Amino acid sequence: GNSVTQMEGPVTLSEEAFLTINCTYTATGYPSLFWYVQYPGEGLQLLLKATKADDKGSNKGFEATYRKETTSFHLEKGSVQVSDSAVYFCALSDRGSSASKIIFGSGTRLSIRP
Amino acid sequence: ETGVTQTPRHLVMGMTNKKSLKCEQHLGHNAMYWYKQSAKKPLELMFVYSLEERVENNSVPSRFSPECPNSSHLFLHLHTLQPEDSALYLCASSQAWGRHSGELFFGEGSRLTVL
Repeated sequence: GNSVTQMEGPVTLSEEAFLTINCTYTATGYPSLFWYVQYPGEGLQLLLKATKADDKGSNKGFEATYRKETTSFHLEKGSVQVSDSAVYFCALSDRGSSASKIIFGSGTRLSIRP
Repeated sequence: ETGVTQTPRHLVMGMTNKKSLKCEQHLGHNAMYWYKQSAKKPLELMFVYSLEERVENNSVPSRFSPECPNSSHLFLHLHTLQPEDSALYLCASSQAWGRHSGELFFGEGSRLTVL
């Protein structure tokens, strides 16, 4: 079945460091790919998405490129801030039902030191 | 403000209690979801309703009973829960597949503690 694997956390970086959180997926067909973020005490919210191969999603300085050849969707940011501390979830859509079935990775907790 | 509101935000209940979680969405979506988020475990999809009809039930114990009276409201009725059911319960909504890329809009969650 479809699945998402992302790097385990926690990840701790200093402010202004470069961030990469790896995500790979297994899927049949052509899923859409997402990164969701969960700030402390809140629900998840969409950070960025890509709906087809070679698409690049971007938002708030974060980027991820849909790589079909490597089945990856790694999240990157050039210079992180303390406010980026959160849990990040990689996800893919499964078109098997009439509603949107989203399969989530296990999440990566990111902590940024001032 | 995501357009999805969950109440209560926090709930403490004994194992013999009956309580309900409520979710309301103001986004005009026609699919709603319940997810369970436990510490150190992936998000678990519990139930999916599309156009008010349950389309997915991922082997959830019968002590959890969903109800979707219309496309804007979703309930999760809780009865004789176990301590291991303590978790953050997240509600989400979306457009049904075919008209949208599948983005989910989440509420802030209801933190449940079972004593």
